[in-house]
Amino acid sequence: DVKVTQSSRYLVKRTGEKVFLECVQDMDHENMFWYRQDPGLGLRLIYFSYDVKMKEKGDIPEGYSVSREKKERFSLILESASTNQTSMYLCASRQQGQPQHFGDGTRLSIL
Amino acid sequence: EDQVTQSPEALRLQEGESSSLNCSYTVSGLRGLFWYRQDPGKGPEFLFTLYSAGEEKEKERLKATLTKKESFLHITAPKPEDSATYLCAVQAGQAGTALIFGKGTTLSVSS
Repeated sequence: DVKVTQSSRYLVKRTGEKVFLECVQDMDHENMFWYRQDPGLGLRLIYFSYDVKMKEKGDIPEGYSVSREKKERFSLILESASTNQTSMYLCASRQQGQPQHFGDGTRLSIL
Repeated sequence: EDQVTQSPEALRLQEGESSSLNCSYTVSGLRGLFWYRQDPGKGPEFLFTLYSAGEEKEKERLKATLTKKESFLHITAPKPEDSATYLCAVQAGQAGTALIFGKGTTLSVSS
């Protein structure tokens, strides 16, 4: 079974902090994705990565950056956290041509 | 613009009362349509992929179908454990691009 692990289930940070969300997959998948999920808005793509050191902006990249130094790990970075970044963050991975598999999410609160 | 619309937003059923969830889409170059199940506080769990009009997939009480404009998720004789949010997503355009999600249908099945 595919396992996508997100480092924290719940996280509370303060405005202006630099926040790191980590995601690790154990299936040697090429593609990895970061989404945020908000009530009434559904899942929206922030960034994705085709392969190591490669990244592409999604629909809502403003205020975020990503890092993929190793194939199994994809990090989402909030450069200076703001209250409108309070959300559920979901990481996914897939092998090309296969369905995406998701982690259980990080519920992030920015105070 | 590529778009995915799910209806209804919420559906309440009695145990054993069969029904269908709808996912309509407008995309250029459909490469696949995906159904996921999401339980509260968890990440989406993959159910089905459909690639071409006329295709059907089944799993226990669930059956997914696809036409050129929409997909249906039929739930036959549902049980309370089928209660969840069901998400539809499409992959369009070039290979390797991310999914476009609908906002989901929240299903509640009471005994």
